Amino acid sequence: DAGVTQSPTHLIKTRGQQVTLRCSPKSGHDTVSWYQQALGQGPQFIFQYYEEEERQRGNFPDRFSGHQFPNYSSELNVNALLLGDSALYLCASSLSYGLTSSTDTQYFGPGTRLTVL
Amino acid sequence: DAKTTQPTSMDCAEGRAANLPCNHSTISGNEYVYWYRQIHSQGPQYIIHGLKNNETNEMASLIITEDRKSSTLILPHATLRDTAVYYCIVRVPPDSYNNNDMRFGAGTRLTVKP
Repeated sequence: DAGVTQSPTHLIKTRGQQVTLRCSPKSGHDTVSWYQQALGQGPQFIFQYYEEEERQRGNFPDRFSGHQFPNYSSELNVNALLLGDSALYLCASSLSYGLTSSTDTQYFGPGTRLTVL
Repeated sequence: DAKTTQPTSMDCAEGRAANLPCNHSTISGNEYVYWYRQIHSQGPQYIIHGLKNNETNEMASLIITEDRKSSTLILPHATLRDTAVYYCIVRVPPDSYNNNDMRFGAGTRLTVKP
């Protein structure tokens, strides 16, 4: 049973460019959340997707957008890259909506390290 | 979601129990306490969670005080591979419109020493 996978592992971009990161959730999971983790800090919530819609969003600008596909995989897009967007981008999947239990734990992927020059 | 306070760093001798504290004095009645850890350059790993009762699994034990204002994560026999940043998070259970985002703080950097 594969866990959460992310691609690519590493990415180098220059300011102003656009980037797309990809995530495949753990088998059986239907919800995908994205986080940004700057060096030395805890992960910060970007947004969450369920049923191909953005359900929740953290305090991130519209340059950050996403998509969820019918197979539950997801993409994170960042436009007009800034130096400050350099970070580890984490994807987490869970089985949600329809459960009211706390046991729908989020499982994280290994992340994509984005460097903006 | 309630805020949490954790020590910045802790050391533990290999083979000894590691006790990681977390204060969450503003926790509300329906908020759960979750613990995750993050080994260098990897994604966070779920450890354990609880509401009010003490919990134990194959990785750790979670002790929550009776007033629920603080908790302690216990790794009973720490190994060098337990060296990581440990995050304590409190959050409401998911519902149809507010679900599952985890609000991480800075965590505690645990170093297990030989």
